[in-house]
Amino acid sequence: QLVLTQSPSASASLGASVKLTCTLSSGHSSYAIAWHQQQPEKVPRYLMKLNGDGRHTKGDGIPDRFSGSSSGAERYLTIASLQSEDEADYYCQTWGAGTVVFGGGTKLTVL
Amino acid sequence: QMHLQESGPGVVKPSETLSLTCTVSGGSISSSTYYWGWIRQPPGKGLEWIGSIHYSGSTHYNPSLKSRVTISVDTSKNQFSLKLSSVTAADTAVYYCARHGSSSWLFDFWGQGTLVPVSS
Repeated sequence: QLVLTQSPSASASLGASVKLTCTLSSGHSSYAIAWHQQQPEKVPRYLMKLNGDGRHTKGDGIPDRFSGSSSGAERYLTIASLQSEDEADYYCQTWGAGTVVFGGGTKLTVL
Repeated sequence: QMHLQESGPGVVKPSETLSLTCTVSGGSISSSTYYWGWIRQPPGKGLEWIGSIHYSGSTHYNPSLKSRVTISVDTSKNQFSLKLSSVTAADTAVYYCARHGSSSWLFDFWGQGTLVPVSS
């Protein structure tokens, strides 16, 4: 079964970097994912597509501070030079066998 | 610029059918490149995919909701619609419409979302 696993929460200091993780279930380690950001009380926003080889394609207007990388079944979102507006929920998303799957989301707190 | 806007009644009563429409502007819903989907988010919870439709009429549904969901498309109006039957309080959520690719099912454009309470 295709499942995406995310840690419920993460925190980092203003100006620092943070790396969020999304883990693909067994047998699905090559799958591409998307990262979405949802600021408080706002609509989710597509950040990027991230392939299994680490190549990523960002959405329009996404700052260079956001980048993606991959290792095995792990997909990472790195945010550099954290700003207050980066405090948000981050969701990974993938698809397979005619269904779409979202991870449970990681709530990022900027200290 | 692509824009998606949900519309529908504000409140739905338990056991009734929830109906929403998504109007697409800034692009054609009849592009073979894309599917058009519905996602929901209960208050304080995560995102759940409901289903997706291609302009050709091809549909895919979340297996957990499939028995209650119908998604349809009206290319003449550049709209697609969601019907969810036999609703309960657990169906209270913000409902989003969004677009994903035909070959890569990753949502890249989202509507503004509409809160649909289920309440008597």
